[in-house]
Amino acid sequence: DTEVTQTPKHLVMGMTNKKSLKCEQHMGHRAMYWYKQKAKKPPELMFVYSYEKLSINESVPSRFSPECPNSSLLNLHLHALQPEDSALYLCASSQGGPGAYEQYFGPGTRLTVT
Amino acid sequence: DAKTTQPNSMESNEEEPVHLPCNHSTISGTDYIHWYRQLPSQGPEYVIHGLTSNVNNRMASLAIAEDRKSSTLILHRATLRDAAVYYCILSRQAGTALIFGKGTTLSVSS
Repeated sequence: DTEVTQTPKHLVMGMTNKKSLKCEQHMGHRAMYWYKQKAKKPPELMFVYSYEKLSINESVPSRFSPECPNSSLLNLHLHALQPEDSALYLCASSQGGPGAYEQYFGPGTRLTVT
Repeated sequence: DAKTTQPNSMESNEEEPVHLPCNHSTISGTDYIHWYRQLPSQGPEYVIHGLTSNVNNRMASLAIAEDRKSSTLILHRATLRDAAVYYCILSRQAGTALIFGKGTTLSVSS
């Protein structure tokens, strides 16, 4: 099973809402990632978790809060977002730290902030 | 992070080979060369990666120049399903993550 699943597929939220994105993998991978992708742009790295610990935070605003409850799950908690945060949010995982290992991506959550 | 340079777009005909170039003149000795592709409305998909030697897998081949300052992704027989944005990315062996550049948009005609 080389699948990374993400829920929900689509999410519409107001600027005062609190919501969460969920990502799951059962490949035994120890590194997990969140990326943000705006239309017609390449994915931009947001966070990296390695062995369930946050190892990279690419200066992401605090309205985005990642959480890694266990080695298979990765959440992204959203609060007080802005319309410019509307994007495709991608989750990925890899066997080990980035570099020597390929990353497997989920299909993404399409987020619209109104 | 070392940068990569790719053409913005390329065109190919179905069933012909496609050579997608990538320049990475500032590559360091520990940088792996990764290729990913992204089909419309999907997440990126791993294609191939290598360090120094040429690599083959069921999807493609990766040819790495002897000085490692450039590489070429080779799709041996393009199909319509290969139309996608192809990203060439350098990634250190330890610590750093994938930093995507603009990529090459490949169009395939029947």
